[in-house]
Amino acid sequence: DQQVKQNSPSLSVQEGRISILNCDYTNSMFDYFLWYKKYPAEGPTFLISISSIKDKNEDGRFTVFLNKSAKHLSLHIVPSQPGDSAVYFCAARVARGSNYKLTFGKGTLLTVNP
Amino acid sequence: DSGVTQTPKHLITATGQRVTLRCSPRSGDLSVYWYQQSLDQGLQFLIQYYNGEERAKGNILERFSAQQFPDLHSELNLSSLELGDSALYFCASSVGVGRETGELFFGEGSRLTVL
Repeated sequence: DQQVKQNSPSLSVQEGRISILNCDYTNSMFDYFLWYKKYPAEGPTFLISISSIKDKNEDGRFTVFLNKSAKHLSLHIVPSQPGDSAVYFCAARVARGSNYKLTFGKGTLLTVNP
Repeated sequence: DSGVTQTPKHLITATGQRVTLRCSPRSGDLSVYWYQQSLDQGLQFLIQYYNGEERAKGNILERFSAQQFPDLHSELNLSSLELGDSALYFCASSVGVGRETGELFFGEGSRLTVL
C-alpha cells in the first residue's frame, strides 16, 4: 500500500525555468511533509518541510505547497539550476502515540539542462 | 557530510550468507533508523532504535535483525540472504524520536549485492 506517491519517475527542465515536483498521499493522519534530495552515491539530504496546518512554506528558491483537500503537495524550484539535478523524495510523517514514522515516495529524478 | 557514518559502502556476497552493516549516528543523536531502497522502490522503513531500545518496526523481515549499542552505534544483521535482498541500505539518525519536524540525517548507504 503506497501511502505516498510520486507518479512522475522523471522530470526534465531547462535551466532558469520552474521545476514542479508532485506528490500525492492517502493517509489523512500525516501531520508533516518533507522533501529530500539525493545525489548519486550520497544519502538523502533534507530540503524543506511543511506542517499540515500550513499551505505554503518557502526557503529561497524552494517552495512547498500543500493542498490538504486534494491530499497533494508540490515542490517548486525557481529558477532551476543544473546543480538541482538529483532524485527528489517526498516523505510524510505520522504519529502513533509517541512514535513518529516517515513514509517515503519512490522519488522523482529531476534533470536540469543547461 | 551529514555526520552519519555507514560501513561498508559496498558488499558483495552469496545467497545464504549473513552480513552485518554498521552505522554511527551524528554526535548527540539518540535515534537510529534503518531504511532499504531496492530497485524502483522508495525508501522502505525497516526499524528504529532510540537510546538503545527498539522504538518502531516497519517492513523488516524475520531474517533481519538490528540493535543499538550503548555507544549509540547500530548494526543491521541480514541472514540467509536471498537475491531479492540486494539493495541500498541507509541508516539515518535524529536527535529525538522524530517529534519535532521528522527531519532525519542520512548516511551514504551500504550497497549490498547478493549473487
